[in-house]
Amino acid sequence: GAVVSQHPSWVICKSGTSVKIECRSLDFQATTMFWYRQFPKQSLMLMATSNEGSKATYEQGVEKDKFLINHASLTLSTLTVTSAHPEDSSFYICSARDQVDTQYFGPGTRLTVL
Amino acid sequence: TQLLEQSPQFLSIQEGENLTVYCNSSSVFSSLQWYRQEPGEGPVLLVTVVTGGEVKKLKRLTFQFGDARKDSSLHITAAQPGDTGLYLCAGARIYNQGGKLIFGQGTELSVKP
Repeated sequence: GAVVSQHPSWVICKSGTSVKIECRSLDFQATTMFWYRQFPKQSLMLMATSNEGSKATYEQGVEKDKFLINHASLTLSTLTVTSAHPEDSSFYICSARDQVDTQYFGPGTRLTVL
Repeated sequence: TQLLEQSPQFLSIQEGENLTVYCNSSSVFSSLQWYRQEPGEGPVLLVTVVTGGEVKKLKRLTFQFGDARKDSSLHITAAQPGDTGLYLCAGARIYNQGGKLIFGQGTELSVKP
């Protein structure tokens, strides 16, 4: 099956710093990737849709200036959490959509902001 | 408003029991996916159903898509401790909004030996 990787798998940072998370589709090209946030024992909450070569589309209530998304190639999307604060601590998951509209998920990134 | 209602949200059963998880909506979906997620990992795709009335089997797991493509169920026969995890249903709307998936609330399944 299709493989999606995320890096890093976990990160701890100080409040006020920025953190970049990478999402890669390893064996297929993805014009569309998605970024989700997940709290413990809860479902996934869609943050934004990342479109290759164009601006990301953010869900209502998600600050685009705080969560910067770049999708510069067909296999890579990045999410940068700017000026992170403890309330940004969460599990961030990306997914990549293949040509038949199936979404494959990355393994997630655990962000802890001190 | 939850567009895809998943139930139950928590389920704790003994090894060997059967269980069914439901996902219901008033909306029609072009396809519906079921995922299983373990703690600290991303969701893993189990199955995609696309045709109304479709039934797919994956070993002890049986997935069904409603005739009207508004609901789906996951049935596990003779559950095992290895089935423990978070099960998520997710649907693609009939007028697909850029490929976005609508997720159910998830079902946290615990199978005790």
